Amino acid sequence: DQQVKQNSPSLSVQEGRISILNCDYTNSMFDYFLWYKKYPAEGPTFLISISSIKDKNEDGRFTVFLNKSAKHLSLHIVPSQPGDSAVYFCAATGTASKLTFGTGTRLQVTL
Amino acid sequence: AAGVIQSPRHLIKEKRETATLKCYPIPRHDTVYWYQQGPGQDPQFLISFYEKMQSDKGSIPDRFSAQQFSDYHSELNMSSLELGDSALYFCASSLGLNGATQQYFGPGTRLTVT
Repeated sequence: DQQVKQNSPSLSVQEGRISILNCDYTNSMFDYFLWYKKYPAEGPTFLISISSIKDKNEDGRFTVFLNKSAKHLSLHIVPSQPGDSAVYFCAATGTASKLTFGTGTRLQVTL
Repeated sequence: AAGVIQSPRHLIKEKRETATLKCYPIPRHDTVYWYQQGPGQDPQFLISFYEKMQSDKGSIPDRFSAQQFSDYHSELNMSSLELGDSALYFCASSLGLNGATQQYFGPGTRLTVT
């Protein structure tokens, strides 16, 4: 039972354009959402998070949008850079604090 | 800045052997989480500790056990290893036990069972 889903296993975007990564969840008890970036042979690196009381959080080139009614969140990266090429995991948590991860989206930013 | 340290980084074991993975959290972090990531899969939560007490338990097999020590480092003990235990094992740490607390991940231990 995949409670957090990332339906696009891969995404290719040109440098300078916007990358949009999507994530859906089913558990209405989740109230905090995070995006992690992962390079091969490294652990996930925290990027940005959002609480369920907000609908947008911005940090530099990264913006996360949350639509609670649709149980959907998205990560926007603009402008995309070649160094952004990695696997991006969406994660969700509730009061238990353990993270439930999505299956990941591999982003490739091309020149 | 100091990060989460995991050792060993790579481990090769045979079926039915035992393995011990170690995790050293970021200084002053009191909460440790263990995750297992199989090939092509998302990380799955195994177990967590807060102030040396088990705080939550996920899909951890009975063959596995873990503990957090007085210096807050944690060890994951795995016995009667099976081929399916081959995976990347991540440890994460945080300050406090709160769903909204950011978890910092270590580089992982890649366990291969042959």
